[in-house]
Amino acid sequence: EEQLLESGGGLVKPGGSLRLSCAASGFSVKDFYMDWVRQAPGKGLEWVGRSKTKAYNHTVDHAASVQGRFTISRDDSKNSLYLQMSGLRSEDTALYYCARTYYDPWSGYFWLDIWGQGSLVIVSS
Amino acid sequence: DIQMTQSPSSLSASVGDRVTITCRASQNIANYLNWYQQKPGRAPKVLIFAASRLQTGVPSRFSAYGSGTEFTLTIASLQPEDFATYYCQQTFSTLHSFGQGTKLEIK
Repeated sequence: EEQLLESGGGLVKPGGSLRLSCAASGFSVKDFYMDWVRQAPGKGLEWVGRSKTKAYNHTVDHAASVQGRFTISRDDSKNSLYLQMSGLRSEDTALYYCARTYYDPWSGYFWLDIWGQGSLVIVSS
Repeated sequence: DIQMTQSPSSLSASVGDRVTITCRASQNIANYLNWYQQKPGRAPKVLIFAASRLQTGVPSRFSAYGSGTEFTLTIASLQPEDFATYYCQQTFSTLHSFGQGTKLEIK
């Protein structure tokens, strides 16, 4: 079964740092774009960013709201995706989902077809 | 950045009703539009990709239409398991974005 499992969440003080991990099983992350999406308590979904495959030089794109503070990376040998977060703010408090992107290069369509259960990050003093 | 706006934000309906949710993009996104369903305490699940294509395994009572800046998701005959929150997502630009969500509640 294809699964994603996030870890590394917790309570952190404003200005602090945290690294989330996402371990994949049942498929190889090297074959897929991988995204992070977050959801603040009681709020909607917010796209955080994406890591492309080696074929696209592992290019990473981040949402404007996290650009310069968050960094997405991957280790294909460990079948894992990461989200390094620094300069954390109270508004970064959220459940952070890792998701697999299905990308059809012929049509250019993307969609998120496999999601983890999320890792909760709370930024509070 | 492309802004996605859904309407209504919430909707009350009964089992068997036909409901439609609208998603509008702040600029032309062709048909690079996905729809997701999220139930409380669960991760989202993709229903529709490329504006109108049903993901494998999604019931045929779900349908979607649109192109450019206006899109709709229709549920033909609501079932109890359809009460959830629905999100649209644009993938036209490099920076993808979601609508704010439409919560579908039981009347």
